[in-house]
Amino acid sequence: KAGVTQTPRYLIKTRGQQVTLSCSPISGHRSVSWYQQTPGQGLQFLFEYFSETQRNKGNFPGRFSGRQFSNSRSEMNVSTLELGDSALYLCASSLTGQPQHFGDGTRLSIL
Amino acid sequence: GDSVTQMEGPVTLSEEAFLTINCTYTATGYPSLFWYVQYPGEGLQLLLKATKADDKGSNKGFEATYRKETTSFHLEKGSVQVSDSAVYFCALSPAYSGAGSYQLTFGKGTKLSVIP
Repeated sequence: KAGVTQTPRYLIKTRGQQVTLSCSPISGHRSVSWYQQTPGQGLQFLFEYFSETQRNKGNFPGRFSGRQFSNSRSEMNVSTLELGDSALYLCASSLTGQPQHFGDGTRLSIL
Repeated sequence: GDSVTQMEGPVTLSEEAFLTINCTYTATGYPSLFWYVQYPGEGLQLLLKATKADDKGSNKGFEATYRKETTSFHLEKGSVQVSDSAVYFCALSPAYSGAGSYQLTFGKGTKLSVIP
């Protein structure tokens, strides 16, 4: 059974640009959550989608947004990138909410 | 709000040594508790879980018991191997969510290095 797939694995952007990250959940999973991992703040919850609806949102500015498609694939967008957005972005999927199974992440570097 | 505190690392052990990584939590009700492991360059892998008091989660020789009275979920392994070198995260999700969303709250992580 294929796991959670995140693309791309690595991204380099400059300040002010925007970026879109993609996540394909495990087949049959309808819940997709996104987390940001940084050395300073650790793992922080961004948002969660279930059946194309955002069910929950963490404490991040409006520059961070997401969506989910009818096939459960999800995208996360960050606009007006800042240096502090450099992080590993992790996507997790689950059938209903827990337990969550993670992908290998997208490493985003802001220059 | 919910929070998870785990012992600071790094932890360095010799192969076949006994491992304990302490984890305590603050949450209302009876949250579900998890241990995740992260190998270099990879995402998180679910190691084990427990969903109610006195439950013992176990996997690959690792164990953790949900202790409601001490709000703890310590990770243990009787004999570590070099291949266990990784970062270990303790996490919780709420007992109940009206919105149906069970976001994870993580500890800061404990880096374990096992030397031959």
